Amino acid sequence: DQQVKQNSPSLSVQEGRISILNCDYTNSMFDYFLWYKKYPAEGPTFLISISSIKDKNEDGRFTVFLNKSAKHLSLHIVPSQPGDSAVYFCAASGNQFYFGTGTSLTVIP
Amino acid sequence: EAGVTQFPSHSVIEKGQTVTLRCDPISGHDNLYWYRRVMGKEIKFLLHFVKESKQDESGMPNNRFLAERTGGTYSTLKVQPAELEDSGVYFCASSPYDRDSPFADTQYFGPGTRLTVL
Repeated sequence: DQQVKQNSPSLSVQEGRISILNCDYTNSMFDYFLWYKKYPAEGPTFLISISSIKDKNEDGRFTVFLNKSAKHLSLHIVPSQPGDSAVYFCAASGNQFYFGTGTSLTVIP
Repeated sequence: EAGVTQFPSHSVIEKGQTVTLRCDPISGHDNLYWYRRVMGKEIKFLLHFVKESKQDESGMPNNRFLAERTGGTYSTLKVQPAELEDSGVYFCASSPYDRDSPFADTQYFGPGTRLTVL
């Protein structure tokens, strides 16, 4: 049973526009959430995280929003750049890490 | 600073054979994790070492999988005998053990080992 879900397998966005990647989770005990970015033939790279005591965390062009009541988090990238094209994994931390299936983002120049 | 390294990058073996994957974590990282991603699916947790001790091995699929971390440094994951469904990318990750750090739960991943069982 998948505890972290990313329902959009892919997303295409024009350069300069906003990219919004979504993630849903089922376990209300998760207390820490992370986004990882993955290029082909490489391991996932940490991007940004948020603790369950916050509802927003911003780092440059990347902002993660957490809605605990809806068990939903999202990653906003603005403005999107072609170098942002990658697979993005959402992860949640409880007693172990749980990952979503990933969303492949393509930023079109 | 060197990142997490994994060897080999690719392995193609026949069903019934044995394969050993190796992971070298970032120096000084007490936590070491193994994950597996089967094609197109989520990255699934396999197990977690703290130094040389297995903290959590609840994700290990069955007893054909054996993980070790001798001396609390590098780790190996052995699959014996390999089955077709073991194919996938095996990721290793490490993190420092510092509960006071806001990034205590951030894991640094290796590039993965792509295992193909024919």
